[in-house]
Amino acid sequence: DARVTQTPRHKVTEMGQEVTMRCQPILGHNTVFWYRQTMMQGLELLAYFRNRAPLDDSGMPKDRFSAEMPDATLATLKIQPSEPRDSAVYFCASGLSGLLYIQYFGAGTRLSVL
Amino acid sequence: LAKTTQPISMDSYEGQEVNITCSHNNIATNDYITWYQQFPSQGPRFIIQGYKTKVTNEVASLFIPADRKSSTLSLPRVSLSDTAVYYCLVGDPVYNFNKFYFGSGTKLNVKP
Repeated sequence: DARVTQTPRHKVTEMGQEVTMRCQPILGHNTVFWYRQTMMQGLELLAYFRNRAPLDDSGMPKDRFSAEMPDATLATLKIQPSEPRDSAVYFCASGLSGLLYIQYFGAGTRLSVL
Repeated sequence: LAKTTQPISMDSYEGQEVNITCSHNNIATNDYITWYQQFPSQGPRFIIQGYKTKVTNEVASLFIPADRKSSTLSLPRVSLSDTAVYYCLVGDPVYNFNKFYFGSGTKLNVKP
């Protein structure tokens, strides 16, 4: 059963520390999405990759967030330095170009910044 | 941007059919309508997608009128396990020039 794998599932860190979240998309998928979910803002798109190239990262705070795809099997989302307002659940999703609205989500990384 | 409007919450009882309506007055010609389901502490899960008329799969049915300005997700004979948030999204699945906007969704509470 193919699935999107996210690590870690939970992360507690202190303000100012670097946080790296990882995502393994479903094999064969060529689009990857990063979302952030909070009670106040709901589900927000942070970044969107196609064939490993970033197509839209306008939803991401540029000064502290960065997203990359070193290879087709790994996507990373980094926060440096982290702040308490970054506390949220971060989801990665993958899919196929041409079927952009059919996305397969991972279980998420719950981040708490103290 | 084809923004969507859904009821914030709905209550139902086990065994009933549930219909959740989504309004999307500014839908564009190439836009499709997609519904997701999210359980607590899980990522959203794709349920169904359609362009016009009716689409049915093993989970739900999607009804889309001719003007496509709204759509209705129909869940037959719901159970307690269907308690979740349901999101309606509208956009071009090939050349998406809109942000993926999940909105607040509809929180469905199924009671015994």
